[in-house]
Amino acid sequence: DAMVIQNPRYQVTQFGKPVTLSCSQTLNHNVMYWYQQKSSQAPKLLFHYYDKDFNNEADTPDNFQSRRPNTSFCFLDIRSPGLGDAAMYLCATSREGRGDTQYFGPGTRLTVL
Amino acid sequence: GIQVEQSPPDLILQEGANSTLRCNFSDSVNNLQWFHQNPWGQLINLFYIPSGTKQNGRLSATTVATERYSLLYISSSQTTDSGVYFCAVINTNAGKSTFGDGTTLTVKP
Repeated sequence: DAMVIQNPRYQVTQFGKPVTLSCSQTLNHNVMYWYQQKSSQAPKLLFHYYDKDFNNEADTPDNFQSRRPNTSFCFLDIRSPGLGDAAMYLCATSREGRGDTQYFGPGTRLTVL
Repeated sequence: GIQVEQSPPDLILQEGANSTLRCNFSDSVNNLQWFHQNPWGQLINLFYIPSGTKQNGRLSATTVATERYSLLYISSSQTTDSGVYFCAVINTNAGKSTFGDGTTLTVKP
């Protein structure tokens, strides 16, 4: 059974054209995370939601925004993608708090042309 | 912030061999997880192990929190074990999860 679902799995966008990535979960977890992973690098946390409370990492570019309309869904909006934003974007959830086990979705691989 | 170092960065094994991967961290942590990232990019949770020892089939992990390291043991390796193994830690005081740079494991038939 799918627990953390990401759509689409592959996304191609043009330089500067806004794009939205989607994540949904069936675990009813309170916390949802977005990570960026570039080739041959470790995942880097962009931000997370604890319920409706948004927490942005200090070094996350303003170009990246997120929305969580309800417990199940979380979106990553890239307002003006640059070539450097091409990466794998990973969504994760945890039941409670940042110290809890994280469960990852399959990721969305973003290509910027 | 907290520093996480994994070693070795790359490891090549013959099928059937055993291996040990190490994760060192610079501060006390509330959570430590080991992940396997498969060739398609999926991060698979292997262990949630802030302290102690756990085993799951051919894999086991030990975290010695007081000495700030964790070890992942892979026994009788198989080609499907290939991929990148990440250690990730969370210090709730710092409020941030941090991944190590990973160990790339290649198991040859």
